[in-house]
Amino acid sequence: DTGVSQDPRHKITKRGQNVTFRCDPISEHNRLYWYRQTLGQGPEFLTYFQNEAQLEKSRLLSDRFSAERPKGSFSTLEIQRTEQGDSAMYLCASSLVSGTGGEQYFGPGTRLTVT
Amino acid sequence: GQQLNQSPQSMFIQEGEDVSMNCTSSSIFNTWLWYKQDPGEGPVLLIALYKAGELTSNGRLTAQFGITRKDSFLNISASIPSDVGIYFCAGPQGGSEKLVFGKGMKLTVNP
Repeated sequence: DTGVSQDPRHKITKRGQNVTFRCDPISEHNRLYWYRQTLGQGPEFLTYFQNEAQLEKSRLLSDRFSAERPKGSFSTLEIQRTEQGDSAMYLCASSLVSGTGGEQYFGPGTRLTVT
Repeated sequence: GQQLNQSPQSMFIQEGEDVSMNCTSSSIFNTWLWYKQDPGEGPVLLIALYKAGELTSNGRLTAQFGITRKDSFLNISASIPSDVGIYFCAGPQGGSEKLVFGKGMKLTVNP
């Protein structure tokens, strides 16, 4: 049973460049979430998908950010024209819709550094 | 912004000691989750709570869902060095799917 995987684990980029991150959820999970975490803080919600539909986006997700989940399996998060303030850990989580709800399982994260 | 207040922010304890931490909110939560995060890794789910007053254990960890539904507690008994890390409380916000997190409690265990 494999957990949530993310690629790459680390990314260093220059300001103004575009970056794309990938997340593979737990195979039977139909919900997929993206969070951002800065130093000393808890994760903050960015967006989530149920199957291929993007159902909610945070105000944190500026126009430079776009997320997709084209076939309802893996997801990508793209940041265009990166800024230094984008430096953070980007976390992906997945869950299975059920009566209890709530339990989200996180991947190892992608650490982005914008120089 | 975040709505969950965690305390204490950090603790330094000796191996073998017990540790308690809590999380409070200004609004009601229907689910409380406790996660542990190691440096450079994603949060790992420790315990999930679904009912007010519920007390749930996972090994040396025990968590409680406060009766008011506005707080939760996590206890670690007989701490060991591998308990070191940051512990977060979290819950789904206002009927939404998105989790809100506390700022975390950094635990240091001295062997």
